[in-house]
Amino acid sequence: QVTLKESGPVLVKPTETLTLTCTVSGFSLSNARMGVSWIRQPPGKALEWLAHIFSTDEKSSNRSLRSRLSISRDTSRGQVVLTLAYLDPMDTGTYYCARKMDTDAFYPDWGQGTLVVVSS
Amino acid sequence: QSVLTQPPSVSAAPGQKVTISCSGGRYNIGNHYVAWYQQFPGTAPKLLMYGNDKRPSGVPDRFSGSKFGTSATLDITGLQPGDEADYYCGTWDSSLSAGVFGGGTKVTVL
Repeated sequence: QVTLKESGPVLVKPTETLTLTCTVSGFSLSNARMGVSWIRQPPGKALEWLAHIFSTDEKSSNRSLRSRLSISRDTSRGQVVLTLAYLDPMDTGTYYCARKMDTDAFYPDWGQGTLVVVSS
Repeated sequence: QSVLTQPPSVSAAPGQKVTISCSGGRYNIGNHYVAWYQQFPGTAPKLLMYGNDKRPSGVPDRFSGSKFGTSATLDITGLQPGDEADYYCGTWDSSLSAGVFGGGTKVTVL
């Protein structure tokens, strides 16, 4: 059974750096053609795609956030890490990690999400 | 501002049909398969449709999808109170090299 679980701080201060971890099970990050994305959702708003790390370790990220955002993985630990720097209250929301095949355009499996509040 | 455009809301009486549209462009819907997600309040999105018109196991055939050119649609027939949720379309954009989603559509059963 495939599962993804996000973890990280709930409350962070403006200008600080957020680090979130997605721990996966039921599949391997070193499996050919399997990657993980981060997607967020501000309260009451739409889904916003943030970044994806491919099975090849190639990365892609949202252009509007690229200067503040990075994604990495530790295949031995089954973890994908998202960092977002210079936080602003507008970064408040639920952050999801989700799995997809590298060549697919859909996410069959999602984590439960983790709420992040940016406030002083 | 989402890359894909959806109506904010649609509604119909139980048993009726609703259609949700998703409009994009050449580099996203025009060049990639479309997926649809169903999201209830406080829960993660759930894959409802993939490959434009394919239902994952367990999704009722009351849900159907289609794509034409740079637009896609999700139809829900025989609307039920349990279908009240937010629905998002999504795909990949090869110009942005990024995933893209619509702004979401709230379905209300009158």
